[in-house]
Amino acid sequence: EPEVTQTPSHQVTQMGQEVILRCVPISNHLYFYWYRQILGQKVEFLVSFYNNEISEKSEIFDDQFSVERPDGSNFTLKIRSTKLEDSAMYFCASSERGGRNTGELFFGEGSRLTVL
Amino acid sequence: GESVGLHLPTLSVQEGDNSIINCAYSNSASDYFIWYKQESGKGPQFIIDIRSNMDKRQGQRVTVLLNKTVKHLSLQIAATQPGDSAVYFCAEKTSYDKVIFGPGTSLSVIP
Repeated sequence: EPEVTQTPSHQVTQMGQEVILRCVPISNHLYFYWYRQILGQKVEFLVSFYNNEISEKSEIFDDQFSVERPDGSNFTLKIRSTKLEDSAMYFCASSERGGRNTGELFFGEGSRLTVL
Repeated sequence: GESVGLHLPTLSVQEGDNSIINCAYSNSASDYFIWYKQESGKGPQFIIDIRSNMDKRQGQRVTVLLNKTVKHLSLQIAATQPGDSAVYFCAEKTSYDKVIFGPGTSLSVIP
């Protein structure tokens, strides 16, 4: 069964460092997403991406964050200068369809980011 | 603003009993709702979805009910099994390309 894969599974970094989290969405999917989940809390929307541009973003997704689809398979989330409060599990998701009344999201297993 | 779900409750059920997990949403314009299951250390996993033109949808052992009048969503799990123990999130598509998750309900199945 096709799945979304994420790397690394866990990354530890120093505050102020840049981090890139990588995702390989399901191959025929066109819509891509990043979410984060602080331990024990709800899953928070960060950004959606379609046709090589950001569709929507939340207030969390400030100018320290960026996303990119550098080739036909990878989808990356970059945090330019990490803060302690960026420590969380980051989930990538993809969907075959968009639109207001459709669009099941398939999630990866997540990348745990720890900022020291 | 957009808001889905209640404060995180915990639900404990006996194996074999039915479970009902509830969710409230605030965006009356939402047209699509999804239930996800999240097991410990894993990503959310799709369970079932429902469009706003429906009030009920059934899957294998799961049923989702939607009441748009009171902006309420529920997930019913029949004959709950130990493998159903997880956190369950309702989610709401609030615009073309944005799915917002509720706070989640932790389901614990007692063998």
